[in-house]
This record gives sequence, C-alpha cells and structure tokens, in this order.
Amino acid sequence: EDKVVQSPLSLVVHEGDTVTLNCSYEVTNFRSLLWYKQEKKAPTFLFMLTSSGIEKKSGRLSSILDKKELFSILNITATQTGDSAVYLCAVEASGNQFYFGTGTSLTVIP
Amino acid sequence: DAGVIQSPRHEVTEMGQEVTLRCKPISGHDYLFWYRQTMMRGLELLIYFNNNVPIDDSGMPEDRFSAKMPNASFSTLKIQPSEPRDSAVYFCASSLALGGHPNTEAFFGQGTRLTVV
Repeated sequence: EDKVVQSPLSLVVHEGDTVTLNCSYEVTNFRSLLWYKQEKKAPTFLFMLTSSGIEKKSGRLSSILDKKELFSILNITATQTGDSAVYLCAVEASGNQFYFGTGTSLTVIP
Repeated sequence: DAGVIQSPRHEVTEMGQEVTLRCKPISGHDYLFWYRQTMMRGLELLIYFNNNVPIDDSGMPEDRFSAKMPNASFSTLKIQPSEPRDSAVYFCASSLALGGHPNTEAFFGQGTRLTVV
C-alpha cells in the first residue's frame, strides 16, 4: 500500500531553535516529493524534490531527498513565530497520483 | 477508514463538456475542502464546506465552477462548460476543524487529474 508518513506529529520549540521535519514514503513509481506550509486553509508550496542529495534552500528553509532510503527532511533554522503551521509532505507518483502525509504541526514559542 | 476518496482518478474531456468530480470525506470530519493544483499557481483553495454548508467560495475561478455537498459523506465539484485552462489536478480534503494550526491536519484524497482538450 502506497503511503507517506510524517514525523513528528507535533513539535513545540522556542524562537531561534532549529527544527527538522521528517517525511518517509513507500510509493510505487515515484516522481517527486513536495513540501507545503499550511497556515489557514490553503497550503503554500515550499519545495519540489526529484533528485537525491540535492539540497533546495529558500531563506531559512531547506530540504533534501534520499531516494535510496525513501525519505526527505525539511529544516528550518532560527525559527520565528511566523513559522508556526502544519507542514505537509506529498509524493507524486506516475499517473498523476498524489499521496499526502497528515502533516507535522509546528508551534514556535516567543 | 479508507481516507478521503476521490473519483474519477483521471478525466479527459473535450472543451465545452460538463465535468463532475466527486469526493467522499472521512466520516466524522466537519470540514471539506476543494483545491486545484497547477504548476503555475501551486495549490489553490477553491471552496470549503462546514457541516455541508459552503462557507467560502471566493477561490472559485468563475461561474462555470460550482460545488455542492448534499450530505456529510459526499461532495461534487462541477465545471460547465469546461475549458482547456481548467486542466489541473483537483484535490479534495477533509478535516475535523479549520485551519492548519494548531494541529488540525487536513486529510487529502489522491486527486483527480483533469485534462480538457
């Protein structure tokens, strides 16, 4: 059964901390892995990863994919209260099928 | 529970035809969301329901789009008439509560890939 599992389910940190969010997957015919930030109703796209070992960065956020071990991590450095959100991981398989994890809820305390 | 179930998984239709996408949310979830994903715009919220009532449809692009939720276990998104620019992946998601924080995760269906030619 194809699935995407995110961990931890929830996380509480203090401002300035660095966090690492995990996404592991078992998906047949993998095409890409996507990270989203969900604050209200619509997730905001963060990264799309297709190749192993190539880090993608955007400001304080970075992500990398390991296609051998079937996982990805999302790092956030120097966290701010505005980073508080649910972070979703999704895997796209061939045939335009998408599998979403249930997300990691991040709370950043001032 | 089998999760959020969407149908069909793929739909190819000709311009001008009516398209109906279907969604069965997770039992007990009070919120249902319809999203559209394209490479250009990413994931866009189209409309969401609370207890079968449409709450916010400001994301619905045009009058050609309509959504209904006749009961707690079923929703449809209809496009009439369809146009090539409607081609996208359409997601349905359900959740117990609103918002992405705190910990009110939305459970997504696998999506319907719509191609309008």
